[in-house]
Amino acid sequence: DAGVIQSPRHEVTEMGQEVTLRCKPISGHDYLFWYRQTMMRGLELLIYFNNNVPIDDSGMPEDRFSAKMPNASFSTLKIQPSEPRDSAVYFCASSLDHQGGEAFFGQGTRLTVV
Amino acid sequence: AQKITQTQPGMFVQEKEAVTLDCTYDTSDQSYGLFWYKQPSSGEMIFLIYQGSYDEQNATEGRYSLNFQKARKSANLVISASQLGDSAMYFCAMREGHGGYNKLIFGAGTRLAVHP
Repeated sequence: DAGVIQSPRHEVTEMGQEVTLRCKPISGHDYLFWYRQTMMRGLELLIYFNNNVPIDDSGMPEDRFSAKMPNASFSTLKIQPSEPRDSAVYFCASSLDHQGGEAFFGQGTRLTVV
Repeated sequence: AQKITQTQPGMFVQEKEAVTLDCTYDTSDQSYGLFWYKQPSSGEMIFLIYQGSYDEQNATEGRYSLNFQKARKSANLVISASQLGDSAMYFCAMREGHGGYNKLIFGAGTRLAVHP
């Protein structure tokens, strides 16, 4: 397996534009996590899915953020409209369904909103 | 309230020496998992070591060991014989039950610098 694949790796967009980040988890993994990493706030859990169902989105900062997982092999995180304070590295991670299952991370998407 | 606390924003160590990175956690669950990840300057997140709450032995993986003290709710990472390539951010993480599911949350991280 190629691991967790995120796209794009880098995204620069203007304030107010819609941004869509994409993630392909490892095949067979039941959990998918979206994290945001900033210097100020560290690694924040935004939302996670189990078997394509959103379980906890309490970490999503605002209604401008939404995430979907239409099937087991694809998830999106959308920001609409984007703001400069959304600039961060966004990570997607997937894992098996047990407490000892480590999360495998994608390479991250570095988002810059100007 | 912070669930995972890493009190050392930065640490430095001399090459070939051992270093301990601190991590304390807060949970009311009996069953949980603790993880350490490394993030080098290139940005990727690399899994290092895992400790289950019911594991009686401390986990070890090569030069990494986890000093697990359940009563104190601490899970410190020990890196023996530090190498220059160990310079990175290190994150402690906990996987705990959440309504029948398992969420994975991270501490703020510790930046380790290994000096020659």
